[in-house]
Amino acid sequence: DAGVTQSPTHLIKTRGQQVTLRCSPKSGHDTVSWYQQALGQGPQFIFQYYEEEERQRGNFPDRFSGHQFPNYSSELNVNALLLGDSALYLCASSSGTGLNQPQHFGDGTRLSIL
Amino acid sequence: RKEVEQDPGPFNVPEGATVAFNCTYSNSASQSFFWYRQDCRKEPKLLMSVYSSGNEDGRFTAQLNRASQYISLLIRDSKLSDSATYLCVVIMGGGSYIPTFGRGTSLIVHP
Repeated sequence: DAGVTQSPTHLIKTRGQQVTLRCSPKSGHDTVSWYQQALGQGPQFIFQYYEEEERQRGNFPDRFSGHQFPNYSSELNVNALLLGDSALYLCASSSGTGLNQPQHFGDGTRLSIL
Repeated sequence: RKEVEQDPGPFNVPEGATVAFNCTYSNSASQSFFWYRQDCRKEPKLLMSVYSSGNEDGRFTAQLNRASQYISLLIRDSKLSDSATYLCVVIMGGGSYIPTFGRGTSLIVHP
């Protein structure tokens, strides 16, 4: 039973560049949420996708965008990267749209901005 | 005031000790609560949901106090393998249902 998988595991970019992170949900899950976790902090909710639409969004600028595909996998895109975007980006999947559902996290993508 | 607050610790306890963490939340309309465990440089993993009546899973007990707006996690008979960061998650109500994580409480269990 495959869990949540994310790629790449590590990424180094420079300011102003754009990045795309990928996530495949746990088998049987149809909802994907993305989080940003800075060092020493808890994960911060970016947005949630269900049925290929953004359903909920946290307090992140429009530079952060996403997509969900028919197979439930998802991408997170970040444009015009800033030094402050350096963080661990976590994808979590669940069954159904309710954020009351416990979420299963992937290992994350560690993004470093130089 | 932050929406969800946790004492970052670290809590240093010997094996076999009982330790408790609290997590306070500011939104009285909050609807769902969870505890997650995160090992160093790993992803968060669900430890347990928190129910209104309180719930227990082996050595772990979670409680909710709506009047004082906090949840708690009690760990009995601590093991070395319990060393980790414990994150509380509060699902805010009021129509937005945004999950908000605390910054986590670090627990170190020593021999």
